[in-house]
Amino acid sequence: DAGVIQSPRHEVTEMGQEVTLRCKPISGHNSLFWYRQTMMRGLELLIYFNNNVPIDDSGMPEDRFSAKMPNASFSTLKIQPSEPRDSAVYFCASSYVKTYEQYFGPGTRLTVT
Amino acid sequence: DQQVKQNSPSLSVQEGRISILNCDYTNSMFDYFLWYKKYPAEGPTFLISISSIKDKNEDGRFTVFLNKSAKHLSLHIVPSQPGDSAVYFCAASGSRNDKLIFGTGTRLQVFP
Repeated sequence: DAGVIQSPRHEVTEMGQEVTLRCKPISGHNSLFWYRQTMMRGLELLIYFNNNVPIDDSGMPEDRFSAKMPNASFSTLKIQPSEPRDSAVYFCASSYVKTYEQYFGPGTRLTVT
Repeated sequence: DQQVKQNSPSLSVQEGRISILNCDYTNSMFDYFLWYKKYPAEGPTFLISISSIKDKNEDGRFTVFLNKSAKHLSLHIVPSQPGDSAVYFCAASGSRNDKLIFGTGTRLQVFP
């Protein structure tokens, strides 16, 4: 199994630009999670989906952030417009619904200048 | 408000000794707890978990202890090895909820 796949691994962009992060969950998993890791706040849950439906987006910081899951094998996290304070590592994770163990991708390191 | 707290940002332990990583939580509705391990440039990987109906769970060199009355859990690694050097995250979840609430992590360094 390839595990959770994220792309790109690194993204450097200028303030005001649109950024799209991509995730392919493990085949068969039906829950998908987007996290952001910062030094100050650790791993923050941004949003999660069950069976492609957004369940809880209370962690999404602002309207500039949006996430979609058009099918069971693909999700995107979009930031528009991006700001320097969005610089962080963004992780995607997947699991089976109602199980606690989540499998994380390698992350996307985002730098907004 | 941090519901899961790891108050020690770093810990340094000699190889062969015991490493003890601590975690405190505030929400009494949490009933399942996990530890994740993270190497640089990789995503966190699941290490060990414990349900609130237990007070101890052991897996090889790793043991997690849960003290519900104190809302405290700890991870013991015995004996510690240089390959254990990583960031360790504590996480908690409430029943019927898929969300995990993570702490800020503790960086463990095991030196020879």
